[in-house]
Amino acid sequence: GAVVSQHPSWVICKSGTSVKIECRSLDFQATTMFWYRQFPKQSLMLMATSNEGSKATYEQGVEKDKFLINHASLTLSTLTVTSAHPEDSSFYICSATGQGSTWEKLFFGSGTQLSVL
Amino acid sequence: SQQGEEDPQALSIQEGENATMNCSYKTSINNLQWYRQNSGRGLVHLILIRSNEREKHSGRLRVTLDTSKKSSSLLITASRAADTASYFCATRETSGSRLTFGEGTQLTVNP
Repeated sequence: GAVVSQHPSWVICKSGTSVKIECRSLDFQATTMFWYRQFPKQSLMLMATSNEGSKATYEQGVEKDKFLINHASLTLSTLTVTSAHPEDSSFYICSATGQGSTWEKLFFGSGTQLSVL
Repeated sequence: SQQGEEDPQALSIQEGENATMNCSYKTSINNLQWYRQNSGRGLVHLILIRSNEREKHSGRLRVTLDTSKKSSSLLITASRAADTASYFCATRETSGSRLTFGEGTQLTVNP
């Protein structure tokens, strides 16, 4: 099946630093990638949708200058949390859709737990 | 915004029993999907049911869809301790391409 690799699995950083999270589709071309944020015991909140080679589309209320998304290739998207603060601490998950018969399903990375001190 | 509402929010059963989770939504959909999430992990796709389908099976999973009531149910038969996880429904609207996730049901299967 389609595999999405997300790194790192967890990161602890100091307030004010930037953190980059990578999301890679290992065995398929991901035409669209999605970034979600999830708080404990809650559902996924879509942050942005990115298509390869174009600017990401951000959901209402998500600061695009704070959460920088780059989707430079069909297999890699990155989310950079700039100048992170404690309130940015959360579980971030990426997902991807492919082409053909796989486009309707989402394939998820394993998530990144971000803790900002 | 999340349009899916799931109930119950939490469900605790014994191994071998069946588990039923329900999902309601508000808009017209193209399909409805169920995902599973183990604690601290990403989501795994379980099953997809299209708007013109009423029931679908996959192993121990049975999904129903009632578009007139805008609701779906996920039944897990003969549950196992390994089924312990959060289960989310997700809808794909007819007017869009993204999935909208419900609030989830936390299932605990006691050995």
